[in-house]
Order: sequence, then C-alpha cells, then structure tokens
Amino acid sequence: AQKITQTQPGMFVQEKEAVTLDCTYDTSDQSYGLFWYKQPSSGEMIFLIYQGSYDEQNATEGRYSLNFQKARKSANLVISASQLGDSAMYFCAMRELGTYKYIFGTGTRLKVLA
Amino acid sequence: DAGITQSPRHKVTETGTPVTLRCHQTENHRYMYWYRQDPGHGLRLIHYSYGVKDTDKGEVSDGYSVSRSKTEDFLLTLESATSSQTSVYFCAISSGDRDSPLHFGNGTRLTVT
Repeated sequence: AQKITQTQPGMFVQEKEAVTLDCTYDTSDQSYGLFWYKQPSSGEMIFLIYQGSYDEQNATEGRYSLNFQKARKSANLVISASQLGDSAMYFCAMRELGTYKYIFGTGTRLKVLA
Repeated sequence: DAGITQSPRHKVTETGTPVTLRCHQTENHRYMYWYRQDPGHGLRLIHYSYGVKDTDKGEVSDGYSVSRSKTEDFLLTLESATSSQTSVYFCAISSGDRDSPLHFGNGTRLTVT
C-alpha cells in the first residue's frame, strides 16, 4: 500500500535562508506522481509543485524545487530565500498512476523567523 | 482558481444526527474527493468519485456515505454523527491527467457535540 512519511512535525528557518522539508514515500508502482501543498493559517490548500516518477529533471517552480531521489524514495521540498509568508503547514502527497487516489503525509509546520 | 464551493462552511451538530456536506464544482472534472483533516493525521481520504454514480472508499470511510448524481455535485453524508467525526472536511477535484494536482475547496469545519 502506498504511504507518505513526513518526519519533521515542525521546523524553523531564518528569513532569506533556504530550507528543506523531507518527504519519503512507499509504493510498489513504477508510475506515480508526487505533489507538495502549502496550507497557510487561513486554511486553504495551495498546490506548489509536481514531480513525475519518470521525470529526469528535478521539478522547479520559482523559489520551490524538489530534490527527487527515486532510489531512496524521497521527494524533499526545497524553499529558497525564505519569506515570512512561507510560514505555513506543508503537505507531501502521492498518486499512483494506476489509481486516482491521492495520499497525504501528516505535514510539516514551517515557521520563518524575521 | 478552480471553481469549487463547499457548503456549509461551518456546522455544529449533535451526536446521532445526520449531516450532509455539499461540494459543487464548475470545472467539469471527472474526479471528486472528500478528505478530513485532523491534527497529527494530515489529510485522510474518505471517499472519492470517478464519475456520476461511481464512487469508491478511501482509508477512513466508516460512518460516511457519498453520492454523485451530477458531475458537478458530490455529497458527503454522516448518517449518525459522532464526536470522532469532528473535523475539517475538504472537497477536492482532479481532471485525472497524470500530472494533475488536486484542487481544493475552502473546507467545512464540522463540530459534533
């Protein structure tokens, strides 16, 4: 069964520094997609970035990038040049392409310090 | 932003009463989902739908039922609400394309007293 593990319940980072949020996954499928979401204190879920299992390049979207290590089954989110507005809960999710179910991790709460 | 509307946004109900949450989309997406969010558990899938009248269970489906009679509407029903069902409920939609993310509604905060 597919599973997502986020081992960091909470993290702090200084403004303007980079931070890495960890995500490991378990799946027996060869085809899958990995997603990261941000949930600010207002509660909405915001899609950040996607990585496909067959993508050769690590995904990037502005200040967000994915450190995708397929053999280790990890898909860590890197936020560069942190901003105060990055303070939020971050969720990693996976979808096996043979199904239409998206499974989420328990999340990491990031606090950016001024 | 994806057109997803959840109603109600907040609800307080008593143990044992039935409750229905509604999700309405204007994107004509085939796939719709109900998740619950609880501290320490992240988001857990309750049920999802892959078409009109086509639904399947997620990981925490006990005590919940769903219906989808139209593409745009996906209803979640708690037949007899319990305090353990106090949670924030999110509806989400997807086009089903391989790189398609979930797009979420704004959530419904349900309190069962």
